[in-house]
Amino acid sequence: GAVVSQHPSRVICKSGTSVKIECRSLDFQATTMFWYRQFPKQSLMLMATSNEGSKATYEQGVEKDKFLINHASLTLSTLTVTSAHPEDSSFYICSARPAGGGKNIQYFGAGTRLSVL
Amino acid sequence: AQSVTQLGSHVSVSEGALVLLRCNYSSSVPPYLFWYVQYPNQGLQLLLKYTTGATLVKGINGFEAEFKKSETSFHLTKPSAHMSDAAEYFCAVSDGGGNKLTFGTGTQLKVEL
Repeated sequence: GAVVSQHPSRVICKSGTSVKIECRSLDFQATTMFWYRQFPKQSLMLMATSNEGSKATYEQGVEKDKFLINHASLTLSTLTVTSAHPEDSSFYICSARPAGGGKNIQYFGAGTRLSVL
Repeated sequence: AQSVTQLGSHVSVSEGALVLLRCNYSSSVPPYLFWYVQYPNQGLQLLLKYTTGATLVKGINGFEAEFKKSETSFHLTKPSAHMSDAAEYFCAVSDGGGNKLTFGTGTQLKVEL
């Protein structure tokens, strides 16, 4: 149980295009989902926290108009990288916290590697 | 503010040898501490966590970690390494509020025959 699916696992796009990444909790409902970004040989950095049915809370320094987050249902959150540029190339990881679960439980997806040409 | 330092981005051990992965943290409030493992092309999996109570925490796959407040450490150990333990390991700290995990940079564990 407690599987989080992230899709796609890898995407290559041209500069200026937008890319959508999906994060799904397959066997549980997630009131809260988190989006992280990981640069090579660096930590996972929290980008934003999304709660179902409300606007995402972005961490300082993260452009909310650049990284659009939608959490329309209890099992799906999406991250859209708008007008992607090469500096947006990175590894993006989502996690989901089960509804009714402990505050410190997060289940992680396998990540999406974005390469912007 | 919180931070995590993992000493050694790469650790190599022989199969059957002791595994020791180091983690030191900084936190202005009593920390919640976590170790996650990531296998290639997979998500992070929780190995163990410390919240309150007993400072020696046992996790899955024979791993354990000890919270030492005086040393601000939460090192991960396993008495005998298996080939299947080869993966990347992340230490993380939270303030207990449940919203924000701060991760270390990870340690790649290699297990050799």
